[in-house]
Amino acid sequence: KQEVTQIPAALSVPEGENLVLNCSFTDSAIYNLQWFRQDPGKGLTSLLLIQSSQREQTSGRLNASLDKSSGRSTLYIAASQPGDSATYLCAVNHRGGNTPLVFGKGTRLSVIA
Amino acid sequence: DAGVIQSPRHEVTEMGQEVTLRCKPISGHNSLFWYRQTMMRGLELLIYFNNNVPIDDSGMPEDRFSAKMPNASFSTLKIQPSEPRDSAVYFCASRWGAGGYTFGSGTRLTVV
Repeated sequence: KQEVTQIPAALSVPEGENLVLNCSFTDSAIYNLQWFRQDPGKGLTSLLLIQSSQREQTSGRLNASLDKSSGRSTLYIAASQPGDSATYLCAVNHRGGNTPLVFGKGTRLSVIA
Repeated sequence: DAGVIQSPRHEVTEMGQEVTLRCKPISGHNSLFWYRQTMMRGLELLIYFNNNVPIDDSGMPEDRFSAKMPNASFSTLKIQPSEPRDSAVYFCASRWGAGGYTFGSGTRLTVV
């Protein structure tokens, strides 16, 4: 059974700092991996999608990497801002295209001005 | 596109009452997923459909929960009878092919 772990569970950093959020998964037979952002009381917003054949994806100040063989992904946030404060969720899509995402429990990020 | 639309946004009901949550997926998406989110357990898959057909409902906690997808543009999740432990945020998501998932804004259910 696929399990997804995110470390740390919570993180507090000063504004402007670069930071890395970690995600690991137990079964490397994934189809793709997706990072989401969730603001308190809100839904999930997709940030980046990495297919299993890719090693990284970038969007603005965000960069996500994927090392499928070691079962790890990182989300790098450059020059953090208070508006980046949210919970970041990692999820993997196991094997086939239309199978469900398996989620980690998230990292709660606070960026202090 | 308006995205995945869920209704209601909030629902407060008394224990024992029937609750129906609704979801309209993005037009053209062929997979639909129902998730439940709690502080303790995070996001858990309840059931998912491919081309309107239920594929895996092993995440549905009990027989009190049922889901239907009568057509490609509508799905319901019903809880009957509801219990306080069903209180959670319920999310619907849809997807097409190998693309990413799009989530709705969720329904916050409180059973008192």
